[in-house]
Amino acid sequence: DVKVTQSSRYLVKRTGEKVFLECVQDMDHENMFWYRQDPGLGLRLIYFSYDVKMKEKGDIPEGYSVSREKKERFSLILESASTNQTSMYLCASSHGQGRRQPQHFGDGTRLSIL
Amino acid sequence: GQQLNQSPQSMFIQEGEDVSMNCTSSSIFNTWLWYKQDPGEGPVLLIALYKAGELTSNGRLTAQFGITRKDSFLNISASIPSDVGIYFCAGATPVAGNNRKLIWGLGTSLAVNP
Repeated sequence: DVKVTQSSRYLVKRTGEKVFLECVQDMDHENMFWYRQDPGLGLRLIYFSYDVKMKEKGDIPEGYSVSREKKERFSLILESASTNQTSMYLCASSHGQGRRQPQHFGDGTRLSIL
Repeated sequence: GQQLNQSPQSMFIQEGEDVSMNCTSSSIFNTWLWYKQDPGEGPVLLIALYKAGELTSNGRLTAQFGITRKDSFLNISASIPSDVGIYFCAGATPVAGNNRKLIWGLGTSLAVNP
């Protein structure tokens, strides 16, 4: 089975802090994704990556950056956390272009910014 | 970003009833996916559809890829309390280079009264 592991289930940080959310997948997937989920807004794509050191902006990239130094690991960075970034963050991975493979998700990180 | 029209937004049913939900799009899709999310967890893939007209079952769940390629349906038969959760549809358009990203519905929240 595909395993996507997010480093923390719950995280509490303060406004202005730099926050790192880590995600690791064990299925040698080319693509990795970061979403945020808020009530009534569904899943919104922040950034995705289709290869090591490659990244593309999703629908709501403002206030975030990402890093993909190794194929199995995709990090989401909140450069200066703000209260409106309090949310559920979901990481996902899938096989590469040309294969219509579904995305597989981690259990999520519930982030609170105080 | 683009979103799918998913309905109904929420459902409250009695145990044993059948459930139907659907997603529609203004664009043609070549992949339809259905996910379920339990409270506090990440979405889990239920059914993947790759061909217009395709009908696929997973236990009590049945999903169909619409003939027009612009819609999909999910049915749950004889609902049980553990069916409670949020059901999401997601689709991918047949545009070169875009197989990596999915378009999401806002979800159908299902409550089952024992």
